[in-house]
Amino acid sequence: DQQVKQNSPSLSVQEGRISILNCDYTNSMFDYFLWYKKYPAEGPTFLISISSIKDKNEDGRFTVFLNKSAKHLSLHIVPSQPGDSAVYFCAASEVGSQGNLIFGKGTKLSVKP
Amino acid sequence: EAGVAQSPRYKIIEKRQSVAFWCNPISGHATLYWYQQILGQGPKLLIQFQNNGVVDDSQLPKDRFSAERLKGVDSTLKIQPAKLEDSAVYLCASSFSRDTDTQYFGPGTRLTVL
Repeated sequence: DQQVKQNSPSLSVQEGRISILNCDYTNSMFDYFLWYKKYPAEGPTFLISISSIKDKNEDGRFTVFLNKSAKHLSLHIVPSQPGDSAVYFCAASEVGSQGNLIFGKGTKLSVKP
Repeated sequence: EAGVAQSPRYKIIEKRQSVAFWCNPISGHATLYWYQQILGQGPKLLIQFQNNGVVDDSQLPKDRFSAERLKGVDSTLKIQPAKLEDSAVYLCASSFSRDTDTQYFGPGTRLTVL
């Protein structure tokens, strides 16, 4: 049973517009959430994270929103750029799990010029 | 600062053969992780080391997989004997410590078992 779900396998967005990637989770013990970006033939690269005590974290063009009651988080990229085209993974860790990240299946984002 | 290094980048073997992967973490990082990423899935943690001790190997198929981190730096992951379902990308990651420290990933080793 998947504890972290990314229900959209792919997303296509026009350059300059907003990209919204969604992630749902089932484990109420998760208290730390991360987004990783992955280009082909490379390892995942950390993008942004959020603790469960917050509902928003912003870093430049990237903002992560957390809705604990809905067990849902989203990553907003504004404005989207062609270089943002990659696979985005949502990941979560549980209280006391000491770094054991549970990943979703990923969403492939394509930003068209 | 050099990133996480892994070798080889690609490996093709036949089922029942053995294979080993090597990882050199970022200098000074005490925690090292091995993940398995099957095509179309997210990475799944296999084993976690803190220095040269195993912290979590609950998802490591111990009948065929083994890993070690001698001297608390480099690590080796071995599969013996390999099965078709072991075809995946094996990712190594490291972090300064455990908990919420950012994990930095290497480029991975793509294993194909025929």
